[in-house]
Amino acid sequence: SQTIHQWPATLVQPVGSPLSLECTVEGTSNPNLYWYRQAAGRGLQLLFYSVGIGQISSEVPQNLSASRPQDRQFILSSKKLLLSDSGFYLCASGQVNYGYTFGSGTRLTVV
Amino acid sequence: GNSVTQMEGPVTLSEEAFLTINCTYTATGYPSLFWYVQYPGEGLQLLLKATKADDKGSNKGFEATYRKETTSFHLEKGSVQVSDSAVYFCALSGYSSASKIIFGSGTRLSIRP
Repeated sequence: SQTIHQWPATLVQPVGSPLSLECTVEGTSNPNLYWYRQAAGRGLQLLFYSVGIGQISSEVPQNLSASRPQDRQFILSSKKLLLSDSGFYLCASGQVNYGYTFGSGTRLTVV
Repeated sequence: GNSVTQMEGPVTLSEEAFLTINCTYTATGYPSLFWYVQYPGEGLQLLLKATKADDKGSNKGFEATYRKETTSFHLEKGSVQVSDSAVYFCALSGYSSASKIIFGSGTRLSIRP
């Protein structure tokens, strides 16, 4: 079975600072990978997904970007954080008909 | 396009009460349906799933039946426990490998001892 590792668990960053969140996957190869954001008390918003190395699809225009430098590594970045980037960021892996495995998430607070 | 609608929370019940969380969907073709659970401060965990009409998914005392005629996938449990307090998400998938899983807005469940 798959295991998703995300770090850090919590992060407090000032407005205008850069961001890098990392997600790595164990127990599978060539996974589909996803970044979701969950605002406080809200549902899940799909930000990016990737079906292979270097292949990134963006779901919504925003201040964030994603990269997949290795098969089982997915990185979420920003050059300059905004207050509205605060939220709970979740990495997921899996196939649509079998369900996703989620990481434990990173809680980002932009101050 | 595909969408999921689930009952708004929060839902508050007493321990040992019967639980129903409603979920309906709109989709083309024959999607797979899921329920995920999110405990406080954690990521989501797959609770159960059903991949075709009339399938029943079950896990940890929770059940949901894929009803194509009513486009529903309601979550039920006969006797809830305090440890069931969490946010529950209904979700569906499309039928191609490039499709994404679409999540409902989540229902917060609180169980009183």
